Amino acid sequence: GAVVSQHPSRVICKSGTSVKIECRSLDFQATTMFWYRQFPKQSLMLMATSNEGSKATYEQGVEKDKFLINHASLTLSTLTVTSAHPEDSSFYICSARRGEGGYTFGSGTRLTVV
Amino acid sequence: GEDVEQSLFLSVREGDSSVINCTYTDSSSTYLYWYKQEPGAGLQLLTYIFSNMDMKQDQRLTVLLNKKDKHLSLRIADTQTGDSAIYFCAENPGNTPLVFGKGTRLSVIA
Repeated sequence: GAVVSQHPSRVICKSGTSVKIECRSLDFQATTMFWYRQFPKQSLMLMATSNEGSKATYEQGVEKDKFLINHASLTLSTLTVTSAHPEDSSFYICSARRGEGGYTFGSGTRLTVV
Repeated sequence: GEDVEQSLFLSVREGDSSVINCTYTDSSSTYLYWYKQEPGAGLQLLTYIFSNMDMKQDQRLTVLLNKKDKHLSLRIADTQTGDSAIYFCAENPGNTPLVFGKGTRLSVIA
């Protein structure tokens, strides 16, 4: 149980285009989901907290107009990287809390902007 | 502030035990977690320990918690090549998102 599905797993896009990443909780409802970014050989950096039915809370230094988050239902949060640039290339991971037992993570999305 | 520290690398021989250490700063964390990340993959929850416990064992995994020293360790018995990965320690201060360490890269030598 407590599975989080993240899609796509890998995407290559051209500079200036937008990319949408989906994060779904498959067997539980997640009022809150988290979006992380991970640079090579580094830890996870929290980008934003996605709240169902309300605006996301962004961490300091994260551009909310560049990384659009939508949490329209209790099982789906999306992250859209707008006007992507090569420096946005990274590994993006979503997470949802599944009660007191811990946080479940998606399998991640490798974004490459060319 | 919140800070989780881990050593960056650990190398062990197959069949030996691995011990990965972690220190954290926030004593209000209710749970402390160990996650495993294989190359190109997301994070897999390995185990977690409630803050009022000293030890938790789950098959080959043993977690020790010293709350006084804010020290957490993960012991993997009979380490296998499939255990090679990055292991993240994480704390959960209050009701905030997880705070991760930088991860310990475990290499298992056959």
